[in-house]
Amino acid sequence: GENVEQHPSTLSVQEGDSAVIKCTYSDSASNYFPWYKQELGKGPQLIIDIRSNVGEKKDQRIAVTLNKTAKHFSLHITETQPEDSAVYFCAATSGYALNFGKGTSLLVTP
Amino acid sequence: GAVVSQHPSWVICKSGTSVKIECRSLDFQATTMFWYRQFPKQSLMLMATSNEGSKATYEQGVEKDKFLINHASLTLSTLTVTSAHPEDSSFYICSALAGRWGTDTQYFGPGTRLTVL
Repeated sequence: GENVEQHPSTLSVQEGDSAVIKCTYSDSASNYFPWYKQELGKGPQLIIDIRSNVGEKKDQRIAVTLNKTAKHFSLHITETQPEDSAVYFCAATSGYALNFGKGTSLLVTP
Repeated sequence: GAVVSQHPSWVICKSGTSVKIECRSLDFQATTMFWYRQFPKQSLMLMATSNEGSKATYEQGVEKDKFLINHASLTLSTLTVTSAHPEDSSFYICSALAGRWGTDTQYFGPGTRLTVL
């Protein structure tokens, strides 16, 4: 089955800096890669996603890049703000069931 | 759009009792919903896939007789934890597949915190 590795497990940045979270996947058939943000005690919130026919997607301060050949995708957050502090999960799927990474705890310090 | 709700948001019950958790898609129809559990500081673990009008598909290691899933309508799926024990205490989260926005976009509910005493 699909195996998704996510790094780093924790990330601390200063407000205004950029944050990058990387994920690799094992199943070459995977074609959909969403990113979720989860705040403490809440459900995951979809923040951006990318499909395998696209190499990059951007939404304001958030961008995702996909390298199908290398089987890795990354989340980029620019101009970080304290409210960006949360746990971020990447996921990959070739169907409907999502395979999640283990999460990255992002802390943005003022 | 694509809002998913869960009820209750938290529940405390005695060991041996059953607890029902509801998952609703509020502004779209979802033929497929998913149930996850999440332990503190861990990732989401898929428990089962719930399809409207048919039996749920359970992941390996998940007891179907303990975690009863019913998806009776296009907007409602329920998870019943039967004869709950302290080890069932966890954060249960549902998600719904938003077919109108794409065939594989999952939107998650806010979660239900279950504590079994």
